[in-house]
Amino acid sequence: AQSVTQLGSHVSVSEGALVLLRCNYSSSVPPYLFWYVQYPNQGLQLLLKYTTGATLVKGINGFEAEFKKSETSFHLTKPSAHMSDAAEYFCAVSDREGSGNTPLVFGKGTRLSVIA
Amino acid sequence: EAGVAQSPRYKIIEKRQSVAFWCNPISGHATLYWYQQILGQGPKLLIQFQNNGVVDDSQLPKDRFSAERLKGVDSTLKIQPAKLEDSAVYLCASSLDRYYEQYFGPGTRLTVT
Repeated sequence: AQSVTQLGSHVSVSEGALVLLRCNYSSSVPPYLFWYVQYPNQGLQLLLKYTTGATLVKGINGFEAEFKKSETSFHLTKPSAHMSDAAEYFCAVSDREGSGNTPLVFGKGTRLSVIA
Repeated sequence: EAGVAQSPRYKIIEKRQSVAFWCNPISGHATLYWYQQILGQGPKLLIQFQNNGVVDDSQLPKDRFSAERLKGVDSTLKIQPAKLEDSAVYLCASSLDRYYEQYFGPGTRLTVT
């Protein structure tokens, strides 16, 4: 069964600094990979996803992530943090199954704080 | 387009009581999911419906949890009787079909005392 490890339960950055949230997965075959964001008292919103093709994926709000098969990683980055980026971020994985995919498995989440 | 609706948003009950949560997915979405999100953890899938049929309920504690989606639209998740460890946020999500992007509702925060 696949699993997801998010390094760092809490990351704090200064406004304007680089954001780097780490995600590693364990899967026997290249999976589908996702990053979700959760603002307080709200549901999850998809930031970006990797299924096939280009390994550098661009998402909403200036975020991007790179799939590195050799490192089994899918780290999330943003060049310049904004106060509105403060939220909980979840990495999720889904294995390929036939023509589709298995249910999502989520990491434990990383809380991002942005300091003015 | 209206998003996924859930009610109630908050619920406090005593252990051994029963509780029910309601979810209305995005119109036209065939697949509906219920997740449990315990504080400090990521969401865990409890049950997945395809129209009104169950696709996956392998992680649903069936001795106390039940869910239904009778007409293939709205869904209800019930806990009876509740335990302290059931305190969590219960998220509902829907997707156009089984392998499409999931859209999440705001969740129901359950506190069992």
